[in-house]
Amino acid sequence: QSALTQPPSASGSPGQSVTISCTGTSSDVGGYNSVSWYQQHPGKAPKLMIYDVNKRPSGVPDRFSGSKSGNTASLTVSGLQAEDEADYYCSSYAGSNNLLFGGGTKLTVL
Amino acid sequence: QVQLVESGGGVVQPGRSLRLSCAASGFTFSSYGMHWVRQAPGKGLEWVAVISYDGSNKYYGDSVTGRFTISRDNSKNTLYVQMNSLRVEDTAVYYCAKDNGYYDSSGHYRGYYYYGMDVWGQGTTVTVSS
Repeated sequence: QSALTQPPSASGSPGQSVTISCTGTSSDVGGYNSVSWYQQHPGKAPKLMIYDVNKRPSGVPDRFSGSKSGNTASLTVSGLQAEDEADYYCSSYAGSNNLLFGGGTKLTVL
Repeated sequence: QVQLVESGGGVVQPGRSLRLSCAASGFTFSSYGMHWVRQAPGKGLEWVAVISYDGSNKYYGDSVTGRFTISRDNSKNTLYVQMNSLRVEDTAVYYCAKDNGYYDSSGHYRGYYYYGMDVWGQGTTVTVSS
């Protein structure tokens, strides 16, 4: 199975909002409410930011939100801050005991 | 604090084997599913394998099925992955990660694929090269 499709890059100025998409198929993103999002700073381990499409783990700012429509999930970062600059990855259950990640999106805070 | 520490990475020739370990602390290791995820140099994340909290169920990504074996020793709070018939394309940073599952009101574990991975180790580097 192919990786989920994310835009390679996204950007926004401090204080603005930016949305990152994650497109799959009806066999993964569209078929299950099991999308997660991870933030990864250079040289660091990933950090869980969103799970179950739109739930935030404790400690994750409410500036981060998730949604899904059909085969596309989205991560929105509101009130951009310099520390939000990182790579972001989506993941989704793909059925048959398989988990897929997206190719990643590099978020730049201008 | 909750922590995962991987070890066992290194340089290995194609076709050889390597075993990675992941020592867990700060949480009840035996109560959670555990994953291995890898990241090739300059590339994205790739799910490798998952094991149930009691070790009874194991599932693998397509690229490692038949070559990698995930296991755990709950008495030692340690997760493993045995990697055989290594290929150049297995070169990556390997992370272990705790499943963000939970127990429902009936005592059944809910997770493995649905709620993400909430604790990650720092990673260990595996380089497969002749």
